[in-house]
Amino acid sequence: AQSVTQLGSHVSVSEGALVLLRCNYSSSVPPYLFWYVQYPNQGLQLLLKYTSAATLVKGINGFEAEFKKSETSFHLTKPSAHMSDAAEYFCAVSGGATNKLIFGTGTLLAVQP
Amino acid sequence: DAGVIQSPRHEVTEMGQEVTLRCKPISGHDYLFWYRQTMMRGLELLIYFNNNVPIDDSGMPEDRFSAKMPNASFSTLKIQPSEPRDSAVYFCASRPGQLSYTFGSGTRLTVV
Repeated sequence: AQSVTQLGSHVSVSEGALVLLRCNYSSSVPPYLFWYVQYPNQGLQLLLKYTSAATLVKGINGFEAEFKKSETSFHLTKPSAHMSDAAEYFCAVSGGATNKLIFGTGTLLAVQP
Repeated sequence: DAGVIQSPRHEVTEMGQEVTLRCKPISGHDYLFWYRQTMMRGLELLIYFNNNVPIDDSGMPEDRFSAKMPNASFSTLKIQPSEPRDSAVYFCASRPGQLSYTFGSGTRLTVV
């Protein structure tokens, strides 16, 4: 079975500060990992994905994530937060025989001026 | 590419009524997924199809829920009869083979 755990349901940062959203995964097969963003009353937009190539993955809007197998982690970072980054962020895992995309519970990011 | 198209965007219905949600996947995508999002349970996978065939419906909450995919360009999720606890945002997603899931904008269902 596969699962992801997102630590911190709410994260608040100041504009210009580092953004760090944590995600740990559990998978019995090599995982594919994803980060999605959801703005209020909108659908899910793919930020970035890990597909067993480079461990450091760069995505849209200045976000990046690093796959660390030894730590079973795939944390999302952005060097400098912008007000427009305020949204809910979801980590997800897929892979193996199952074609399911399994989501974490989400982290709501607030950016303070 | 118009993306994954869901209709309606919003649906308000009375308890006991039948509700049908619709999804048009991206052309060429042979996988289609239905998800439900609630505050309490987050994003749950309800069912997914491969080449129009239901592969895994273990997430469908009750027999009141049913999903069909009569052809490669259309899928429906039906709730009959609807209940207030079915109120949620329902998302459809499609993908070609592996990876690259694309989500629709969702249908916000309110059952009163």
